[in-house]
Amino acid sequence: GENVEQHPSTLSVQEGDSAVIKCTYSDSASNYFPWYKQELGKGPQLIIDIRSNVGEKKDQRIAVTLNKTAKHFSLHITETQPEDSAVYFCAASTYSSASKIIFGSGTRLSIRP
Amino acid sequence: NAGVTQTPKFQVLKTGQSMTLQCAQDMNHNSMYWYRQDPGMGLRLIYYSASEGTTDKGEVPNGYNVSRLNKREFSLRLESAAPSQTSVYFCASSEAEGGGTDTQYFGPGTRLTVL
Repeated sequence: GENVEQHPSTLSVQEGDSAVIKCTYSDSASNYFPWYKQELGKGPQLIIDIRSNVGEKKDQRIAVTLNKTAKHFSLHITETQPEDSAVYFCAASTYSSASKIIFGSGTRLSIRP
Repeated sequence: NAGVTQTPKFQVLKTGQSMTLQCAQDMNHNSMYWYRQDPGMGLRLIYYSASEGTTDKGEVPNGYNVSRLNKREFSLRLESAAPSQTSVYFCASSEAEGGGTDTQYFGPGTRLTVL
């Protein structure tokens, strides 16, 4: 079955610097890769997603890149701000079934003032 | 528009007790999900309902049962709670039938402790 590995587990960056979180997946059939942000005491919220027919997607300070050959995808946050502090989860799934959705173990991002 | 609501927010059970976690969504979504979140393990899918009237097992279904009561409500039942079921439980919903590649909207979670 699918396995998603996420690195690093914790990340601390200076405010204004960039942050990069990486995920690898094992199932070549996976074709949907969302990223969720979870603030303390709340449920995860989708921040960006990418599908397998696209190599990169950007939304303001957030971007995601996908390398299907290498089976890895990354989240890039530029010009980090204090409100970016949270836990970030990647996930991988296929069009066929919701039972295939697998989440990474999460990255706790801290922004230093 | 409340989105996804879950009750209760917190619960403490003794081993062997039973309880039902309630979830409701007001977005007219077709698919609903139950996840558990444990430290260092991300979110793991327990059960999901790809449409009203259907339910299917996810990655970690043992010890749980679910009911899709109607399109809005999806409950999770622990028949005989065990300490290994201590976790934070999240309900989620998504618009499309079948799910898997749709944005999921999460509730605020239920923190369950089994003694």
